Amino acid sequence: DGGITQSPKYLFRKEGQNVTLSCEQNLNHDAMYWYRQDPGQGLRLIYYSQIVNDFQKGDIAEGYSVSREKKESFPLTVTSAQKNPTAFYLCASSIVRQPQHFGDGTRLSIL
Amino acid sequence: QKEVEQDPGPLSVPEGAIVSLNCTYSNSAFQYFMWYRQYSRKGPELLMYTYSSGNKEDGRFTAQVDKSSKYISLFIRDSQPSDSATYLCAIEAGSYQLTFGKGTKLSVIP
Repeated sequence: DGGITQSPKYLFRKEGQNVTLSCEQNLNHDAMYWYRQDPGQGLRLIYYSQIVNDFQKGDIAEGYSVSREKKESFPLTVTSAQKNPTAFYLCASSIVRQPQHFGDGTRLSIL
Repeated sequence: QKEVEQDPGPLSVPEGAIVSLNCTYSNSAFQYFMWYRQYSRKGPELLMYTYSSGNKEDGRFTAQVDKSSKYISLFIRDSQPSDSATYLCAIEAGSYQLTFGKGTKLSVIP
């Protein structure tokens, strides 16, 4: 079954801690994306990557970091510099000129 | 002015009603128009995708784009309780990036 797998579904972060959210896709898509969704808000783009070993900042990249070492994987690290990390994080992938497909998200909360 | 405005709702309709969901946008460079459905605690799933003015139909769903008015709509016929979800419009300006509306929460009451 082709799709996008995000893990874990729920994650808790302590103050001062970095946490990493996993995103894996087996759709053979070149582009991958990370979004943040807050209640009553639309999706806001954190980072995106069009090809392996390359990525660009989105609208709200501060306090986050990514890597793209493999086509299938695009992990997101929420660093301690992100002061308001509680949100629903969504990963997506696409090929050129085609709509993005989403995983089922990771909900991050602060302990 | 925000780039994409979406009626926030919430919207509550009886089963069998016709539902109209709408977004307006400001950037005339926007080329591709999408509607996603998002159930609670799930990721958005693509419902409709179009890049031209006019109507596109898929079963009970019709997407309508009016580029001259910068207005897009999603119509749901014979609405069902399973249609209860948040509906997000998304628009692409020819790059990889999408601009999303804030979403309209729909409840279909049996």
